[in-house]
Amino acid sequence: QVHLVQSGAEVKRPGASVRVSCKTSGYTFTAYYIHWVRQAPGQGPEWMGRINPNSGATTYSPSFQGRVTLTRDTSNRTAYMEVGNLRSADTAVYFCAREGDAMVVPWIAYWGQGTLITVSS
Amino acid sequence: DIQMTQSPSSLSASVGDRVTITCRASQTIRSYLNWYQQRPGEAPNLLISAASTLQSGVPSRFSGGGFGTDFTLTISSLEAEDCATYYCQQSYGTPWTFGQGTRVEVK
Repeated sequence: QVHLVQSGAEVKRPGASVRVSCKTSGYTFTAYYIHWVRQAPGQGPEWMGRINPNSGATTYSPSFQGRVTLTRDTSNRTAYMEVGNLRSADTAVYFCAREGDAMVVPWIAYWGQGTLITVSS
Repeated sequence: DIQMTQSPSSLSASVGDRVTITCRASQTIRSYLNWYQQRPGEAPNLLISAASTLQSGVPSRFSGGGFGTDFTLTISSLEAEDCATYYCQQSYGTPWTFGQGTRVEVK
């Protein structure tokens, strides 16, 4: 079965950076996009971007362009999301997620457990 | 960005009621519309893809419809376990965007 296991919660100071890992298993890592979605307390999900694990090509939301970097390590079947210049508004649960077997319309089929990032001075 | 607007933002209904949630896109998204259910403390869970395709394992009381800019999620007979927040999400163009959510309370 498909699993996405994320790294643990972190507390960061404003201005710092954080990197979240997402280790996958149960499928061919390079065959499906990995997306990153965050959810601030009491808010709806917000799409941050995606990475093609095969090519490494990335697409970012304009809201995060220049501050978020998505990478992957194919040998370890792991995706990474780094956010720089953190501010209090970045306090949220960050999810990695894998696309489903869509023929035409893509969707998110599997989610990591989420990683709480708290930004506080 | 394509804006997704859901209504209502919350509702309260009784077991057995028919419930309908609407989602409107700011431009046409054809059928590139997915619906997720999220319970507190959990990740979202896909219910319906491509506007109307029920995912395996999802109860048949859930259904979706619509095309272009206007979509609906219907629960034909509400059950207690349906207490959750429901989100629409478009995958027609990047950035993918979600609606603000509809919180469903079961009386």
